[in-house]
Amino acid sequence: GIQVEQSPPDLILQEGANSTLRCNFSDSVNNLQWFHQNPWGQLINLFYIPSGTKQNGRLSATTVATERYSLLYISSSQTTDSGVYFCAVSGYSTLTFGKGTMLLVSP
Amino acid sequence: DADVTQTPRNRITKTGKRIMLECSQTKGHDRMYWYRQDPGLGLRLIYYSFDVKDINKGEISDGYSVSRQAQAKFSLSLESAIPNQTALYFCATSDLPGGAYTFGSGTRLTVV
Repeated sequence: GIQVEQSPPDLILQEGANSTLRCNFSDSVNNLQWFHQNPWGQLINLFYIPSGTKQNGRLSATTVATERYSLLYISSSQTTDSGVYFCAVSGYSTLTFGKGTMLLVSP
Repeated sequence: DADVTQTPRNRITKTGKRIMLECSQTKGHDRMYWYRQDPGLGLRLIYYSFDVKDINKGEISDGYSVSRQAQAKFSLSLESAIPNQTALYFCATSDLPGGAYTFGSGTRLTVV
């Protein structure tokens, strides 16, 4: 099956800093998604981004499907951005998740 | 109201008890899923359903059963709970093959 790898595994930022999270996948896909799991456990779909670039406030994502990677940019980070960020690829019946990047934003 | 609602949010139950987790959605999606999340193991698929008459096992269905009561409702049952079923359980929906997923807020289940 498709392998999904994320980097870095952990990241600590000062509030206000910018960061880039990376997701590599092993096969051609057309349905890359980014999720944020907050400290209370909720999983929020941030982006559905098979290709190209999308922006939502301080967050943006870019997927280059031909090169099998996606990037999530967080600008001017806030403490509420803390949590785990997952990328995932959906197949016929399920999502294949990466192991996630755990982000801690300190005040 | 949330698009995907799970009840209860938290539950502690005893070994051997039967427990049901419920999920309802207002997205109008045909596809619904149950996942469990364990530290270090990520999210694993328990069951999925592509419409009311379609139920399929996922990778870890042993010890679980499901019921799709309507397009909007998909419940997960643990017939006889055991401690290693302690986990965070998520219900999710999607509209198309490969489409965007929406997750519920999760049910934190503890079996003692």
